[in-house]
Amino acid sequence: GQNIDQPTEMTATEGAIVQINCTYQTSGFNGLFWYQQHAGEAPTFLSYNVLDGLEEKGRFSSFLSRSKGYSYLLLKELQMKDSASYLCAGRPSGAGSYQLTFGKGTKLSVIP
Amino acid sequence: NAGVTQTPKFQVLKTGQSMTLQCAQDMNHEYMSWYRQDPGMGLRLIHYSVGAGITDQGEVPNGYNVSRSTTEDFPLRLLSAAPSQTSVYFCASSYAGLGQPQHFGDGTRLSIL
Repeated sequence: GQNIDQPTEMTATEGAIVQINCTYQTSGFNGLFWYQQHAGEAPTFLSYNVLDGLEEKGRFSSFLSRSKGYSYLLLKELQMKDSASYLCAGRPSGAGSYQLTFGKGTKLSVIP
Repeated sequence: NAGVTQTPKFQVLKTGQSMTLQCAQDMNHEYMSWYRQDPGMGLRLIHYSVGAGITDQGEVPNGYNVSRSTTEDFPLRLLSAAPSQTSVYFCASSYAGLGQPQHFGDGTRLSIL
């Protein structure tokens, strides 16, 4: 299957900015999702990018470069509650393809 | 709003037993899917359905069956449980369309002894 790669763990300080990267094979996907998953809970939707560029949604922004096979999630003004795993997921190219391929997730720890 | 409801939340089985994990959604979503989540492996797709009467295999379908007799329900059956199927199972649903986010249930934590 298509691979989606993201760092396993990251640590950042409360109030800071953190960028979580995600890379994938350019021919495989049409659209990238980001999900947040707190420990022991279900994933929840954060953002979706299908066109190149930056999508801003409050403290969270997501960027996509289709030619580079690269996406990132930017979290500003970090709060302790942002400690969670962040999952990058690609939607396969092709009409009617709704199944997602997930990366292994990046566990973000926010420290005081 | 109930959203996606999974039952049971926890289950312990013995090797060789069979069971059904239930999933129901009340959002009239066409697309439903089952994932398993294991440490260090991320979410892996087991089976999915694009509508009532239509199912297909995902990345890791062996040992599991599904059916979709109604839009609302998408049960996952373990035919003969094995310790390798110890995992957290998530059901998800979405509208069928570009950019439609999947909504996840709270998960079923399954242990096979």
